[in-house]
Amino acid sequence: DAGVIQSPRHEVTEMGQEVTLRCKPISGHDYLFWYRQTMMRGLELLIYFNNNVPIDDSGMPEDRFSAKMPNASFSTLKIQPSEPRDSAVYFCASSLGARAGGYTFGSGTRLTVV
Amino acid sequence: QQQVKQSPQSLIVQKGGISIINCAYENTAFDYFPWYQQFPGKGPALLIAIRPDVSEKKEGRFTISFNKSAKQFSLHIMDSQPGDSATYFCAPWNQAGTALIFGKGTTLSVSS
Repeated sequence: DAGVIQSPRHEVTEMGQEVTLRCKPISGHDYLFWYRQTMMRGLELLIYFNNNVPIDDSGMPEDRFSAKMPNASFSTLKIQPSEPRDSAVYFCASSLGARAGGYTFGSGTRLTVV
Repeated sequence: QQQVKQSPQSLIVQKGGISIINCAYENTAFDYFPWYQQFPGKGPALLIAIRPDVSEKKEGRFTISFNKSAKQFSLHIMDSQPGDSATYFCAPWNQAGTALIFGKGTTLSVSS
């Protein structure tokens, strides 16, 4: 298995533009998580899905952020409009069952909003 | 999300030395205590974990010590190596709860 695949690896965009981050979880995993990492705030949970259904989106910072999981093999995190303070590394992770030790993270998308 | 306090924020250790990272938590419902390791440009990966029915777990050079009454657990890296240079996160968890909530992380640098 290729692991959790995220794209793009790097994204530079101008303030106000729409940004879409993509994630392909490990086949068979039924949980998918989106995290954001910054120096100031560390690793923050944004949202997670179970069997494609959003379970907890309380970490989504504001309405500019939205996430979807149209099927078991694909998820997106969209920011519209983007702002410089959204600059961070965004990670997707998946797991089989709700097992804390079973998280597999992707390599992340480094987003820079200028 | 301020349920977990990790210290120190950064740590520099000589090769061969012992690295110690601490994690304090508030929620007594936590029942699984993992440490994740993250290398630059990569996502975190599970390093070692402990359940509250034991006070210590050792895997190679890595040991978790757990103090339930103090609501603390720590990661000890014996004979630290330059390859251990990474960021370490604690992420205590409750089976009945939601997703992992990570500490702020500790950046370890092992000098050769």
